[in-house]
Amino acid sequence: NAGVTQTPKFQVLKTGQSMTLQCAQDMNHEYMSWYRQDPGMGLRLIHYSVGAGITDQGEVPNGYNVSRSTTEDFPLRLLSAAPSQTSVYFCASKTRAGSYNEQFFGPGTRLTVL
Amino acid sequence: DQQVKQNSPSLSVQEGRISILNCDYTNSMFDYFLWYKKYPAEGPTFLISISSIKDKNEDGRFTVFLNKSAKHLSLHIVPSQPGDSAVYFCAALGPSNTGKLIFGQGTTLQVKP
Repeated sequence: NAGVTQTPKFQVLKTGQSMTLQCAQDMNHEYMSWYRQDPGMGLRLIHYSVGAGITDQGEVPNGYNVSRSTTEDFPLRLLSAAPSQTSVYFCASKTRAGSYNEQFFGPGTRLTVL
Repeated sequence: DQQVKQNSPSLSVQEGRISILNCDYTNSMFDYFLWYKKYPAEGPTFLISISSIKDKNEDGRFTVFLNKSAKHLSLHIVPSQPGDSAVYFCAALGPSNTGKLIFGQGTTLQVKP
């Protein structure tokens, strides 16, 4: 099992550019989520999904879009990047009914918006 | 409004001594708490958890204590080892109607040999 994979590892964007952060898992987990980590703020939930075709907003959803067309993939889209979106982004997954003890995180994507 | 707070950004201890990491929360509806450990350039990994019906949970060198009246939990690491040097996040499971994890800001632990 590769677990939770994220690409790219690093990305630099200019203000206004768009991009998609990729997240994939091979554990057949229904629940997937995106967090951002900022200094002094901990991890904050952006969007989450409880299964293919179902997504919902987290704590800080503005500026981000998600879709879940397959169980394996949960991409995060920035339609028009802003410097405030400079952060480290983590994707996570677990079974829908499973405990958060068994939530697995990807290695993260470090995004810089100039 | 930070519902889960880790007020110490960093902690330095000597190898073999006890490390105590603290976490405070404001929402009395939280009913499950977790600690995650994070090394640089890696994602967080689950360390230990505690349900609100307990006041202590132990797993090897790691013990979490929960004081519901004070809305406070702490993670004790005994004895501390250099490999424990990492960022530790406290997290609380939100009210049952959201099921969303709420994280504290993190505490960077350095264990000196």
